[in-house]
Amino acid sequence: RKEVEQDPGPFNVPEGATVAFNCTYSNSASQSFFWYRQDCRKEPKLLMSVYSSGNEDGRFTAQLNRASQYISLLIRDSKLSDSATYLCVVNMYGTSYGKLTFGQGTILTVHP
Amino acid sequence: DGGITQSPKYLFRKEGQNVTLSCEQNLNHDAMYWYRQDPGQGLRLIYYSQIVNDFQKGDIAEGYSVSREKKESFPLTVTSAQKNPTAFYLCASKDGVNTGELFFGEGSRLTVL
Repeated sequence: RKEVEQDPGPFNVPEGATVAFNCTYSNSASQSFFWYRQDCRKEPKLLMSVYSSGNEDGRFTAQLNRASQYISLLIRDSKLSDSATYLCVVNMYGTSYGKLTFGQGTILTVHP
Repeated sequence: DGGITQSPKYLFRKEGQNVTLSCEQNLNHDAMYWYRQDPGQGLRLIYYSQIVNDFQKGDIAEGYSVSREKKESFPLTVTSAQKNPTAFYLCASKDGVNTGELFFGEGSRLTVL
């Protein structure tokens, strides 16, 4: 089993749609979780951290389910500019310097 | 402006040659990382360093070497022992205190002919 696993997609959705991605992780002791966005042939950039209580940033909502060991990202009212690869990232060893492990990424394409 | 600078952006080399990729940061971050990304894949950790003069192997360290002689610099050497070195290499840093945000350089694309 991979340490961090995502559905690679691709997800093709129309503008205005709501889309959700899940990411599972294997280490139950993992402490911190993030979603990064990567545009084609560019470096990844932090989209949002994922907190235990869940968090929202505009059209984006992140959730953590420790019991089932997954995190999720919900995008509402999709825009063309949301087209990108979304990477799930987990701090596997629970320290501020700990090894950050990336999922393989989920490709999202938003079409008119 | 603070950030991470990787060079070169594109690099072509012949098989059997060692190659060194540069990574410099002026963010005063303690931790630095090297990742490799292949088409359609996520990032895989090669090496990371939490502090000057110390570094740890990641998941795919074979065929790579690093040094961390200065806080600002974390160069990666791709040696001839690396079986499939053509890839997109990303350097990142993190301050490690109350934040998980990794700051990435723009990456170096290595093609071995």
